[in-house]
Amino acid sequence: EADIYQTPRYLVIGTGKKITLECSQTMGHDKMYWYQQDPGMELHLIHYSYGVNSTEKGDLSSESTVSRIRTEHFPLTLESARPSHTSQYLCASSASAGQYFGPGTRLLVL
Amino acid sequence: LAKTTQPISMDSYEGQEVNITCSHNNIATNDYITWYQQFPSQGPRFIIQGYKTKVTNEVASLFIPADRKSSTLSLPRVSLSDTAVYYCLVGDLSNYGGSQGNLIFGKGTKLSVKP
Repeated sequence: EADIYQTPRYLVIGTGKKITLECSQTMGHDKMYWYQQDPGMELHLIHYSYGVNSTEKGDLSSESTVSRIRTEHFPLTLESARPSHTSQYLCASSASAGQYFGPGTRLLVL
Repeated sequence: LAKTTQPISMDSYEGQEVNITCSHNNIATNDYITWYQQFPSQGPRFIIQGYKTKVTNEVASLFIPADRKSSTLSLPRVSLSDTAVYYCLVGDLSNYGGSQGNLIFGKGTKLSVKP
């Protein structure tokens, strides 16, 4: 199994709070990704990175931001959480073949 | 961008072989075909990947005809635990730009295995 970790697994937070979702991988993969998925719906790519200091927005517009200061770490930040941000956030990494996904973070914004 | 089309859902019974076909009529020369499996509340899991002909691993087989305009994921002797959503992705593995097909999951095929 691939080693990719996400914390927290579950987060309930009030509107207006700043939150950071953590994602780390120990495989040395250059490419990392963030997807957003609502229950029973499609995954949508919101951010990706080719390597350190490289970040790009995905096909779904998101108010979140990401950073890639270290190869193994790709955190996602919401400066001011809103109920519309309630969703599951999935982090993934890849080398050349398929992507390896973390367990996800379920976010509920009240 | 090679668009993929899969059935929305399929039903099967335990012990049967299940074949899920994905259409990708405008697949490009450098595109690979990748299949993922996703259980509820979990991230997708890589199953198998191929370019042409047949690929087999311990989990599944992937059949790709010569024209590569479709592919079929074959799951031998399914069990209840194979109930999941299966995604077919097509894209150039050497190019991971945000609009690349190998990053676009679509709606997938919801497979339900009954006892």
